[in-house]
Amino acid sequence: GDSVTQMEGPVTLSEEAFLTINCTYTATGYPSLFWYVQYPGEGLQLLLKATKADDKGSNKGFEATYRKETTSFHLEKGSVQVSDSAVYFCALSVYSGGYQKVTFGTGTKLQVIP
Amino acid sequence: EAGVTQFPSHSVIEKGQTVTLRCDPISGHDNLYWYRRVMGKEIKFLLHFVKESKQDESGMPNNRFLAERTGGTYSTLKVQPAELEDSGVYFCASSQGLETSPLHFGNGTRLTVT
Repeated sequence: GDSVTQMEGPVTLSEEAFLTINCTYTATGYPSLFWYVQYPGEGLQLLLKATKADDKGSNKGFEATYRKETTSFHLEKGSVQVSDSAVYFCALSVYSGGYQKVTFGTGTKLQVIP
Repeated sequence: EAGVTQFPSHSVIEKGQTVTLRCDPISGHDNLYWYRRVMGKEIKFLLHFVKESKQDESGMPNNRFLAERTGGTYSTLKVQPAELEDSGVYFCASSQGLETSPLHFGNGTRLTVT
């Protein structure tokens, strides 16, 4: 079946450091890819998405590129802030049988220290 | 527009008791999903409604879990009787159901079974 693998956390970085959270996937179809973020005490929010190969999703300084050849969708940010501390989930969505099915990774907790 | 709302935000019950979680999706979203995250693991799919019909309930762990969606509006997820391993955060999400549609999540219900 479909699956998403993320790097295990927690990840601890100093403010202004470069962030990479790795995500790879396996899917039977041609998925859309998403990053969701969960800030403390809140629900999941869509951070960015990409719907086809070589697309780059971006938001709030975060970027991820849909790499079909490596089945990856790594999340990057050039300079993290304390406010970026959260849990980040990689996900894929496949349209099958007339409906959308979404599969999530385990989540990666990011802690940014001043 | 109002987002996805879930009630209660927290619930602590004893083993053997019954708990009912409620989810109100975004108005007009025919697709409603239930997910669960247990002890920092991945967010696991439980089931999917399209309007009032169960489209896929392959993720429901056992027959102690019962989900309903009356009239295709709000949904409830009942656990009866609850067991210790049912503890976790239960997320509800809704979407328009298109291939590239993101899921809109509620803040989740944290269930603790003691």
